[in-house]
This record gives sequence, structure tokens and C-alpha cells, in this order.
Amino acid sequence: KAGVTQTPRYLIKTRGQQVTLSCSPISGHRSVSWYQQTPGQGLQFLFEYFSETQRNKGNFPGRFSGRQFSNSRSEMNVSTLELGDSALYLCASSPGTEVQETQYFGPGTRLLVL
Amino acid sequence: ELKVEQNPLFLSMQEGKNYTIYCNYSTTSDRLYWYRQDPGKSLESLFVLLSNGAVKQEGRLMASLDTKARLSTLHITAAVHDLSATYFCAVDIIFPRKLIFGQGTELSVKP
Repeated sequence: KAGVTQTPRYLIKTRGQQVTLSCSPISGHRSVSWYQQTPGQGLQFLFEYFSETQRNKGNFPGRFSGRQFSNSRSEMNVSTLELGDSALYLCASSPGTEVQETQYFGPGTRLLVL
Repeated sequence: ELKVEQNPLFLSMQEGKNYTIYCNYSTTSDRLYWYRQDPGKSLESLFVLLSNGAVKQEGRLMASLDTKARLSTLHITAAVHDLSATYFCAVDIIFPRKLIFGQGTELSVKP
């Protein structure tokens, strides 16, 4: 099976712009979670989508949003970018059918905000 | 507040030595993961520990879980340079469903 894929792999944006990141889960997986990794805050949960619905949300401002499509692909959007949004954004997929499941991580999108 | 704490955060070892990384967590959970991350790369799953007393081994790495003590350990035996990476433990929370990660332990194995 192909693994989790994320596009683009690298992005450079300026403050105030918005950005959209994409994640394609492993075939058959219906749950997609997003995480932000920064040197200062470490790995933090952003949100989880299952069957096109946001199931859980982390403690991030409303500038961070996401959605999931019928094919389980997910997008994450960050509006009005700030310097502190520079991070590695990781998505992870899992089947979504069990309460606890192993999550498989994609390669990540590295975002630099100037 | 839910916390997952790893120690040490930085570990410099010589090849051939043994060492243990500790992962303490503050919430009830019976599922814990260990991941490896190489610089600039994503997270690679190493172990899934599913119950109290679980022990798993792969090569020079062995992980264990004590849910009563809320403690997991990652033991490194006879370290080699290829093990140099950052290691994260993560606790699986049921509600809201998410992983809570430790700060990571940056391991450097020197010849």
C-alpha cells in the first residue's frame, strides 16, 4: 500500500498570506489527523477528520481550519499567516473504525513564514 | 492538564553503551507509541504498546509499558551510530481522540 502523502513538501509564504496544505491518506483509511511541529512547542494536535466531519480539534486559533473530502483526502488551511506559524505540518491517517488505532504519518509539509 | 514528559531530552552516547529513555505521562491510557524522527523527516513508528506490562523489542531497541506507574521506557542496547535520531513517545487519548507527544529525546551516538 502507498503511504500517506502530503503536498507540497515545502512552502515559503509571507505574513498575512494564507496557505493550503494537502494530505492523502493510506487507501482505505478514513481518519486524517493534523499535527504541528515547532522547536518551541513540539508536536501538537490540530484536528482530526473522519468521514468529512471534524471529529476533534486542538487548541489552535480559528485561523487554522481544515476539511475532508469524500475520498478521505484532507486539506488544512491557515489564514493570515504569522511568523509563529512556521513549522513542520504532519498529517496522519488511520482506519478510523476503532477507538484507538495506530496512526501513520506522512512526510510533512515544511512551512516557512517570512 | 495532560502531560507527557520524556527524559533525558538530550543524550550523547558512545557506541556500544546501553541507556534508557523514560516517558512519564499524567493521564490514564493503555496505549503508547514510540516514534523515531530523523532530521527534517517525518515520524517513523517504532513500537505500539497496547497494555500494562507490554514489552516489545526490535534490534537494539526495547520498549516497555507500565500503565500503573504511567511510565514507558525505551532501552538502547549496544548503541550504534545509526540510532542517532530524535525519539518521541506519544500517549493515545480516547476523548478527545488524539496523540499527546513528549518533548522528544535527541540521541547522538558517537564512535
